[in-house]
Amino acid sequence: RKEVEQDPGPFNVPEGATVAFNCTYSNSASQSFFWYRQDCRKEPKLLMSVYSSGNEDGRFTAQLNRASQYISLLIRDSKLSDSATYLCVVLTGNQFYFGTGTSLTVIP
Amino acid sequence: DAGVIQSPRHEVTEMGQEVTLRCKPISGHDYLFWYRQTMMRGLELLIYFNNNVPIDDSGMPEDRFSAKMPNASFSTLKIQPSEPRDSAVYFCASWKQGAFNEQFFGPGTRLTVL
Repeated sequence: RKEVEQDPGPFNVPEGATVAFNCTYSNSASQSFFWYRQDCRKEPKLLMSVYSSGNEDGRFTAQLNRASQYISLLIRDSKLSDSATYLCVVLTGNQFYFGTGTSLTVIP
Repeated sequence: DAGVIQSPRHEVTEMGQEVTLRCKPISGHDYLFWYRQTMMRGLELLIYFNNNVPIDDSGMPEDRFSAKMPNASFSTLKIQPSEPRDSAVYFCASWKQGAFNEQFFGPGTRLTVL
């Protein structure tokens, strides 16, 4: 079983739409959780960390459910500039585990 | 800080040649990771170092791959001999344990083996 699993998509949504990405992880001992964004032909960059209480950064909301080992990312009012691949990342011990990424295209 | 620095940014070589990729981590970071990314397999961890010591190299595909970290500010990933299936983007990332836990990536080296 993979450490981190996420739906690869692709998600094609119109501007202004709300889109949600989900991710599950297999190790209950994992201690930190993140969403990274990767633009085409670029390196992954941290979008936001994910906390048990849920956290919001502008149009982006991340949530963690430790009991279900489930992480989510909600993007409201999608912009063209949100088009990218979103990677679910889990830190277990001293190692980062990456999902395969979910591709998002926001259409005008 | 300039962030994680990798060189070269692009490398095109012929099968059988030796390839050396270089990385300079962020100063003060105690972990360094080498990843490989392809469309088919996504992002794969090859090896990581803690305080210049290799901790886990189980992701290194085979003996053709080797990595070193002679000091805290420099690491290399070497492929000898290279094969077409090694074509991928190779990322180096560094991390300071306990400091917000964000892992920072370099811009990557795009390797093409003909």
